[in-house]
Amino acid sequence: QSVLTQSPSASGTPGQRVTVSCSGSSSNIGSNYVFWYQQLPGTAPKLLISRNNQRPSGVPDRFSGSKSGTSASLAISGLRSEDEADYYCATWDDSLSGWVFGGGTKLTVL
Amino acid sequence: QVQLVESGGGVVRPGRSLILSCAASGFTFNAYAIHWVRQAPGKGLEWVAVISFNGDYTYYADSVKGRFTISRDNSKNTLYLHMNSLRPEDTAVYYCAKDETGSSWYGADSWGQGTLVTVSS
Repeated sequence: QSVLTQSPSASGTPGQRVTVSCSGSSSNIGSNYVFWYQQLPGTAPKLLISRNNQRPSGVPDRFSGSKSGTSASLAISGLRSEDEADYYCATWDDSLSGWVFGGGTKLTVL
Repeated sequence: QVQLVESGGGVVRPGRSLILSCAASGFTFNAYAIHWVRQAPGKGLEWVAVISFNGDYTYYADSVKGRFTISRDNSKNTLYLHMNSLRPEDTAVYYCAKDETGSSWYGADSWGQGTLVTVSS
């Protein structure tokens, strides 16, 4: 059971907008930055969004992040087949004194 | 650019020990905290440990506390994970990941390619 809660799966058709949600508590999302990672099959995770909503250089502006209270969201617009991957949210948890991850959301592009 | 290369993985018997290494390049190694994160086959990401930029502070997941030790040698730009009393449930790909900060534990901005550890008799 992950400290951060994500839906196990999401799907959309090419061109659609999809949202992946991440729910936590006051000791983690509520008081720390949220990071989002994309993991393509057989590869290492890659940073998509840092500090709630900052897009690193090279990440398309189709990807955006937001945070409100103890929840965070990753939005992917103009869905493309190459977006099919697992997506993880992560943040520091002050009570656990550790970094915590969501269980991951598998995105399927139909 | 930032490069993190893990090594030391392999097959090990339960109860035995193993040391993983992570060689870093492309950034000022002694300015950043580094994490170890693992991923069991077919499972999600699980944080293992973190060490501050100067090694003064370390934190561990409950699942490895007392068995694993994270350390770093800033003169060699290398991170280590000493794993003792290994269990079958420690079987996973182990990644090292560079934090955005030195000791504020924001999150990782770069990851290595991982090294596979298999604990089996």
